[in-house]
Amino acid sequence: AQKVTQAQTEISVVEKEDVTLDCVYETRDTTYYLFWYKQPPSGELVFLIRRNSFDEQNEISGRYSWNFQKSTSSFNFTITASQVVDSAVYFCALSEPQFIQGAQKLVFGQGTRLTINP
Amino acid sequence: IAGITQAPTSQILAAGRRMTLRCTQDMRHNAMYWYRQDLGLGLRLIHYSNTAGTTGKGEVPDGYSVSRANTDDFPLTLASAVPSQTSVYFCASSLGGSYNEQFFGPGTRLTVL
Repeated sequence: AQKVTQAQTEISVVEKEDVTLDCVYETRDTTYYLFWYKQPPSGELVFLIRRNSFDEQNEISGRYSWNFQKSTSSFNFTITASQVVDSAVYFCALSEPQFIQGAQKLVFGQGTRLTINP
Repeated sequence: IAGITQAPTSQILAAGRRMTLRCTQDMRHNAMYWYRQDLGLGLRLIHYSNTAGTTGKGEVPDGYSVSRANTDDFPLTLASAVPSQTSVYFCASSLGGSYNEQFFGPGTRLTVL
């Protein structure tokens, strides 16, 4: 069965610190997709990034970066020079490739609540 | 463009009552989903629909039903609410397939007493 583990339930740092959110996944599939979503205090989930299992290149988007390592089944998310607006719950998710035609099953981790203190 | 709307925003419901959570998307996405979010458990899939007229069960379907009469609407019904169904419910949609991201609505906070 597919599983996503975000071992860090809560993280609290001071503004401008770097912070890494861990994500470890389990799957027997060779083709799969990994996602990160952000849930700010307003409650709505916002898509951040997608990565397919054949692309291990790290991704950087401004202060955000993602490190995908198949060897350790990890897809970690780093925020550099954190800001108060980064405070949110962050979810890592894994997509099954053959759920059903035309739909997608996302398996979510438990989420990490990140608090950036001024 | 609104994306996905959900109604109501929040609701307090007596146990045993019937309740329908509404979800509408204007992106013409084929696939739609209902999740519940509970503390410490992340989001869990209740039901999904890969196209109008077709629905399927997710991870936690018991006590819930859905219908998909058209592309835009995907209501979730609790036939007889129980306290364990107290949760935040999110509707989502996507273009379909394993690759495409899902877009989420603002959520409905439901309390069953």
